[in-house]
Amino acid sequence: QVQLVQSGAEVKKTGASVKVSCKTSGYYFTTFYLHWVRRAPGQGLEWMGWINPNSGATDSAQKFEGRVTMTRDMSTNTAYMELRRLRTDDTAVYFCARVNDYTWGNYDYWGQGTLVTVSS
Amino acid sequence: DIQMTQSPSSLSASVGDRVTITCRASQTISNNLNWYQVQPGKAPKLLIYAASVLQTGVPSRFSAYRSGTDFTLFISRLQPEDFATYFCQQSHGTPFTFGQGTTVEI
Repeated sequence: QVQLVQSGAEVKKTGASVKVSCKTSGYYFTTFYLHWVRRAPGQGLEWMGWINPNSGATDSAQKFEGRVTMTRDMSTNTAYMELRRLRTDDTAVYFCARVNDYTWGNYDYWGQGTLVTVSS
Repeated sequence: DIQMTQSPSSLSASVGDRVTITCRASQTISNNLNWYQVQPGKAPKLLIYAASVLQTGVPSRFSAYRSGTDFTLFISRLQPEDFATYFCQQSHGTPFTFGQGTTVEI
């Protein structure tokens, strides 16, 4: 069955970096785009960006440009999201999500979420 | 960026009620609209995609439709497990923006 398993919770200081992994299984890794979404405490969902696991191409929301890098390792079917120069308002649960259908951009499987806590 | 205005932000309902949640897009997004349910401490769950298509395995009491740039999610006969937060998301263009969310409370 399809699974997206993310790395564990992280506690970071402002200015540091965090790298969250999303290990996939149960399907062909290169066939489906992966997106990253976060949810800050008491807030809504915020789209961060995507990676094409086949080509490695990425796109990210403008507010994260320069701070976020999305990569993948095809040998382990794992995607990564690194966020640099962390701020306290980056405290959130970070999710990876698989796009089921490129036409509709719908996320049919999600990772369990990774809590990243940033303190000063 | 495409803005998604979702309403209401919260509502109170009882088991068996019919619930309506709406999202309005700031520009045309065709049928590129998805609905998700989020339970506390869990990952979101896809309910509806392409504006009105029920995701496999989702109960038929969930339905949705589109009228222009207005999108509506219906929950008929609310069940205890339906008390959650619901988000719309446009996937017409990046950034894929979400509505602010609607919390359905008992």
